[in-house]
Amino acid sequence: AQSVTQLDSQVPVFEEAPVELRCNYSSSVSVYLFWYVQYPNQGLQLLLKYLSGSTLVESINGFEAEFNKSQTSFHLRKPSVHISDTAEYFCAVRTGNQFYFGTGTSLTVIP
Amino acid sequence: SQTIHQWPATLVQPVGSPLSLECTVEGTSNPNLYWYRQAAGRGLQLLFYSVGIGQISSEVPQNLSASRPQDRQFILSSKKLLLSDSGFYLCAWRTRDRGNPEAFFGQGTRLTVV
Repeated sequence: AQSVTQLDSQVPVFEEAPVELRCNYSSSVSVYLFWYVQYPNQGLQLLLKYLSGSTLVESINGFEAEFNKSQTSFHLRKPSVHISDTAEYFCAVRTGNQFYFGTGTSLTVIP
Repeated sequence: SQTIHQWPATLVQPVGSPLSLECTVEGTSNPNLYWYRQAAGRGLQLLFYSVGIGQISSEVPQNLSASRPQDRQFILSSKKLLLSDSGFYLCAWRTRDRGNPEAFFGQGTRLTVV
């Protein structure tokens, strides 16, 4: 079975500063990779996904993630965060019919 | 467009009472369906998934069960709730379309067992 590791449970960062949320997974054999965002008391919303092709994927709100097969990582980055980016972020891997999620990273943007 | 409905949004139930959470998907057919539980401060734990009517796979042995009586309906049940069943329950679906491998989530049900 897959395992997904998000080493940083909480990341505080000042507004307009860059941020990186780290994600590592256990196996790169035929996987799809995702980042989801969750606001309080809501479901998860897809932020971005990697299927194949270019290793750098971008979302519409300025986040990007890079698939690194050799390091089995899919770190999420944003060059300049906003207050509205405060949320819980989950990295996920899908193999076959199952999705495996990390334990989440709570991003807090400080004014 | 596809939508997923999950209800109720919040629920407070006494220990030992039954549970029924319902999830329906609209705008797609033959989806894969999932139930997750999210405990406070923790990640998502896959409870059940289904690839078709009447087909349920259980990931974690517990006092919960799931059923899929119709193609786009997924129900999470318990005969007798435990305190440890408290948490945030999320239903999700995904299409069989290879170009869209992601899961789409409902808004969740906050269950508090008292």
